[in-house]
Amino acid sequence: DGGITQSPKYLFRKEGQNVTLSCEQNLNHDAMYWYRQDPGQGLRLIYYSQIVNDFQKGDIAEGYSVSREKKESFPLTVTSAQKNPTAFYLCATSGSGGLFYEQYFGPGTRLTVT
Amino acid sequence: SQQGEEDPQALSIQEGENATMNCSYKTSINNLQWYRQNSGRGLVHLILIRSNEREKHSGRLRVTLDTSKKSSSLLITASRAADTASYFCATGPGGSYIPTFGRGTSLIVHP
Repeated sequence: DGGITQSPKYLFRKEGQNVTLSCEQNLNHDAMYWYRQDPGQGLRLIYYSQIVNDFQKGDIAEGYSVSREKKESFPLTVTSAQKNPTAFYLCATSGSGGLFYEQYFGPGTRLTVT
Repeated sequence: SQQGEEDPQALSIQEGENATMNCSYKTSINNLQWYRQNSGRGLVHLILIRSNEREKHSGRLRVTLDTSKKSSSLLITASRAADTASYFCATGPGGSYIPTFGRGTSLIVHP
């Protein structure tokens, strides 16, 4: 998990509230990603960013928003429009947009919405 | 969409035994990667094999890739209790740098 910080580790929110998950990296990586993990479903891509001030939707972007104002930071906002927000959220980075780069993952944030 | 699918979904073995898990995928790939995830933690990259490679080793790990069968296997030799984790394959589809993850194999190694 070294070099990527996600906070907090556990987050509890009431239904109808927006919540922002933090992801900070000191690896000097260009690309950053947000994944959602549900039991038995593996990882699903929410958003990704290859460069500052630019980001793209992944497979399940509805109900989420992101920003990339700094290279080091890629916060994810889970909005009230997300119907099933309770999940484990993982942030990842990679060195570049090259075809052979591995991803580095943060420790994750477990979000529970009641 | 998930392209890689791991098999079996769960595997339970004794310490010292070998563990083999497989990954199948559907479309052409540039590379295939294996990751490990300990319970409640982030994923850790284990090994990357390119589409023009057939076998790769890293310590007790051996990965094979058969592009004609669109499948890969991960072998962990002489398993230890500390190997207990979920293992994911991630495929790098042709033309994309974003890996697509499977659902994972849950490995339990009993001491």
